[in-house]
Amino acid sequence: KNEVEQSPQNLTAQEGEFITINCSYSVGISALHWLQQHPGGGIVSLFMLSSGKKKHGRLIATINIQEKHSSLHITASHPRDSAVYICAVLRPGGADGLTFGKGTHLIIQP
Amino acid sequence: ETGVTQTPRHLVMGMTNKKSLKCEQHLGHNAMYWYKQSAKKPLELMFVYNFKEQTENNSVPSRFSPECPNSSHLFLHLHTLQPEDSALYLCASSQFRDNVLTFGAGSRLTVL
Repeated sequence: KNEVEQSPQNLTAQEGEFITINCSYSVGISALHWLQQHPGGGIVSLFMLSSGKKKHGRLIATINIQEKHSSLHITASHPRDSAVYICAVLRPGGADGLTFGKGTHLIIQP
Repeated sequence: ETGVTQTPRHLVMGMTNKKSLKCEQHLGHNAMYWYKQSAKKPLELMFVYNFKEQTENNSVPSRFSPECPNSSHLFLHLHTLQPEDSALYLCASSQFRDNVLTFGAGSRLTVL
């Protein structure tokens, strides 16, 4: 079992819908990352958080350390949000590398 | 453009070929990474270089040979690869222990 599990694996929604992507992890962490990967491969870091909630534009990320769970929300979704969203965790003392989830493939239809 | 440039973007090679992937960053970062992304699998860390010193080699087969001549350039030399090595190879950089990675666009490798 992967230490980082994401759900759903695939999500198709209509433009304007509120989107939630979930990430659960089974190890102690010092930080959690949400990343976005567009077709073609490039990965962009969206958020790094260790507690609470962060907001950037239409994106909101939350984390519950006690429950070992994080969510990424997209409000007023748009076709350009179509991408793979990847959750990754950093273990305490694990400065050299992240442990990644398999990603959630999101398609927003017009 | 993220500031991390990878070339080539696409590479097709036979199992007996020797080729290299190149990564370049001018962000002033001192750590560089190679990741492998295979279909349906999470990103896998391959190598980490901090100030040109290799600090992690994640049990990668010797047919993959990294080289970091300076903190701005990173190579992955490929030799006698197998078809299962076909994947997207991603380079990233960061300030060491900063944990915020900047990724390149990746090099899509196909081994025939």
